Order: sequence, then structure tokens, then C-alpha cells
Amino acid sequence: KNQVEQSPQSLIILEGKNCTLQCNYTVSPFSNLRWYKQDTGRGPVSLTIMTFSENTKSNGRYTATLDADTKQSSLHITASQLSDSASYICVVSAGASGGGNKLTFGTGTQLKVEL
Amino acid sequence: EAQVTQNPRYLITVTGKKLTVTCSQNMNHEYMSWYRQDPGLGLRQIYYSMNVEVTDKGDVPEGYKVSRKEKRNFPLILESPSPNQTSLYFCASSFRDRDSPLHFGNGTRLTVT
Repeated sequence: KNQVEQSPQSLIILEGKNCTLQCNYTVSPFSNLRWYKQDTGRGPVSLTIMTFSENTKSNGRYTATLDADTKQSSLHITASQLSDSASYICVVSAGASGGGNKLTFGTGTQLKVEL
Repeated sequence: EAQVTQNPRYLITVTGKKLTVTCSQNMNHEYMSWYRQDPGLGLRQIYYSMNVEVTDKGDVPEGYKVSRKEKRNFPLILESPSPNQTSLYFCASSFRDRDSPLHFGNGTRLTVT
């Protein structure tokens, strides 16, 4: 069964600090790994998408890494801001026959950035 | 502005009363899908569509119907809602290629009493 596990479940940090969120997965056959940011009451927004051959990708202060051998990914947030307070969701895609993706969602890490 | 629009944002209904949640996208995406989000469970796929007139079941399709008569619209139909369908629903769309990001709507919070 395809699974995506994220840790920690929740995290509180001070504004300006860095943090790293973890994602472990068992998904086959692996197609890509995505990180989404979900603000309270809004739909998720894509941060990064990494394929098998990519081991790091950045989007501003967000940097995602992928280790396909150990089936782990991390999302590093640099110099956090209050607006980074959100749920961060790891999503792993398994290639599906006929094209498209079969997506498996993690339950998210709830990040709160405080003054 | 490129977007996925869901309506309504909030809906309270009673058991058994048929309802439809609309979803429309203006990005010419082939792929559209519906998800429900429940506390502690993450997003789960209900139905998806690879193109017009092509739909398929996701992980939790029981109690739901969809149709894809036009490329831009993908309505979710609950023929006889039950309280266990109380949830937050999201519609999403993307291009068909496997590395295309999903664009989500802002959700519909449904309460069935």
C-alpha cells in the first residue's frame, strides 16, 4: 500500500529562524514528489515538484531535497516569516497507466511562526 | 487570472437532499479531480477525469457522482448525502503530463445534518 508519512505533526518556531520538515514515503512506481503549502481555509498551493533525477529544488526561501534511495524528502524553510504559518503537505506521485498520476498525500506538518 | 473556482464555499444540508458542488477552471487543463479533506486523514481522492467524457474512481468514490461534459467544468454530485460526507472538499486541475502541478480551488465546506 502506498504511504506518505510526515514529521513532525506540528512545529512552532520564532520568526527569522530556519526549520526543516520531513517526508518518508513508500510509493511505487515513483514518478515525482511534491510539496504544497496550505493556508488555513484555502486550497493547497504548489511549492516544488521533483522527479527521480532531481535531488534538490528551490522556490525562494523554500528548498526541497529528495533522496530516492532512502525514499525521503525534506523541506527547508529559511529565515521564516509570519506568513509561513500554514500546513505543509508532501505528495508523492506514482505513475499510472494511461498517463496522469496516482497521488498519495501526507497528512501535513502544521507550522506556526511566532514573533 | 488563472484559477479554479468552486461554489458554494459553505453548504449546510440535510440527509438525503441531493446537492451539486460546481468546479470550473480557466487554464485549459485536461485533468480535473475532487478530494475530501478530513482531520488526521489528509486529502483523499474521490473522482478524477483525464479529459472530456472520461472519468474514473479515486480512493473514496462511494456516495458521489461526477460528470465531465465540458473541459472547464467538473461538478461533484451527492445524490443522497449522509452525515459521514460532512467534510472539506477541494477541486483541482492540471495539465495531463505527470510533472504538471495541481491547481486547487479554495474549497467547499459541507455539513450534512
